[in-house]
Amino acid sequence: EDKVVQSPLSLVVHEGDTVTLNCSYEVTNFRSLLWYKQEKKAPTFLFMLTSSGIEKKSGRLSSILDKKELSSILNITATQTGDSAIYLCAVAYNNNDMRFGAGTRLTVKP
Amino acid sequence: EAGVVQSPRYKIIEKKQPVAFWCNPISGHNTLYWYRQNLGQGPELLIRYENEEAVDDSQLPKDRFSAERLKGVDSTLKIQPAELGDSAVYLCASRKGVGSPLHFGNGTRLTVT
Repeated sequence: EDKVVQSPLSLVVHEGDTVTLNCSYEVTNFRSLLWYKQEKKAPTFLFMLTSSGIEKKSGRLSSILDKKELSSILNITATQTGDSAIYLCAVAYNNNDMRFGAGTRLTVKP
Repeated sequence: EAGVVQSPRYKIIEKKQPVAFWCNPISGHNTLYWYRQNLGQGPELLIRYENEEAVDDSQLPKDRFSAERLKGVDSTLKIQPAELGDSAVYLCASRKGVGSPLHFGNGTRLTVT
């Protein structure tokens, strides 16, 4: 059965800390892995990864895919309270199938 | 570029009543998804359209849920009759094609009392 698993499910840190969120997957015909940030409403797109070992970076956020290990990590450095959100990992596979993990709820305390 | 538009934003109904949600995807996006998201969980697929064709509705509870996408643009999702367990956020998303990210609407938060 196709699945996407995220860990941890919940994380509480203080401002300035660095966090690493994990996503592992088992799907047929993998296409890409995507990270989204969800605050109070719609998930907003962060990164899409298709090639193994190539880091994508945007400000304090970065992500990398390991196709051999069927996993990805999302790093956030120097966290701020505005980073508090649910971070969703999604995997695109087959033709246009897209499956989401349960998400990691990140809370950044001042 | 206008984003995915959903309405209504919130809906409160009594159980056994019908309810409908509407979605207008981004122009040119042929693939449209309806997801349901329960509190503390990730979005779960209900149905996926390629243009006007429903290509994956295996997770749609067909006894009470129905969906349509006339002319391959706007889509509606209906629940009749609603049950208490249907309380959730219903998200619509669209995508230009394979290799592009999903873009989500703001969702409809449904509360069934």
